[in-house]
Amino acid sequence: AQTVTQSQPEMSVQEAETVTLSCTYDTSESDYYLFWYKQPPSRQMILVIRQEAYKQQNATENRFSVNFQKAAKSFSLKISDSQLGDAAMYFCAYRVNAGGTSYGKLTFGQGTILTVHP
Amino acid sequence: DAGITQSPRHKVTETGTPVTLRCHQTENHRYMYWYRQDPGHGLRLIHYSYGVKDTDKGEVSDGYSVSRSKTEDFLLTLESATSSQTSVYFCAISDGGRAGEQFFGPGTRLTVL
Repeated sequence: AQTVTQSQPEMSVQEAETVTLSCTYDTSESDYYLFWYKQPPSRQMILVIRQEAYKQQNATENRFSVNFQKAAKSFSLKISDSQLGDAAMYFCAYRVNAGGTSYGKLTFGQGTILTVHP
Repeated sequence: DAGITQSPRHKVTETGTPVTLRCHQTENHRYMYWYRQDPGHGLRLIHYSYGVKDTDKGEVSDGYSVSRSKTEDFLLTLESATSSQTSVYFCAISDGGRAGEQFFGPGTRLTVL
């Protein structure tokens, strides 16, 4: 079974600084996606960034980027120029690329609470 | 924003009572999912559906049942609620594409006393 581990229950960062959230996963699959979701106090789940395992280039979305190390099964999220609005719970998630009836099931990590200090 | 609603948004009930949570989508997506969120566990899959009347169990399905009689609605039922089912419940939908994003509803906070 696939597992996703976020070893940092809480992280903090000063506004405008950079912070990195860690995620490791365990799988025997070779074709999969990895995701980072943001959950602000409103509880809404928001997709921040996704990475396809077959793509060697690390994904980037504006101030958010990932460091994907496939061999090490590591998928960290870097937030640059942190803003007060980045404060939230962040979840790392994994999905195998299976079709049909097994499509789309996400496995989540435990979450990391990010605090941004002004 | 994807058209997903959940009802009710909050519910307090007593142990042993049946509870049904509803997820409604307006996106005509094939796949629908129910997750529960608990501190220290992230979100865990309860049940999912890959089409009308087609459902299967997820990681934490004990004590839950689901039904999907039409594309837009996916119901989660707790036949006899227990305090361990106090949680926040999320519904999600996906269109099934290779890079298909899963869109989440706003969540339902359920408290079982």
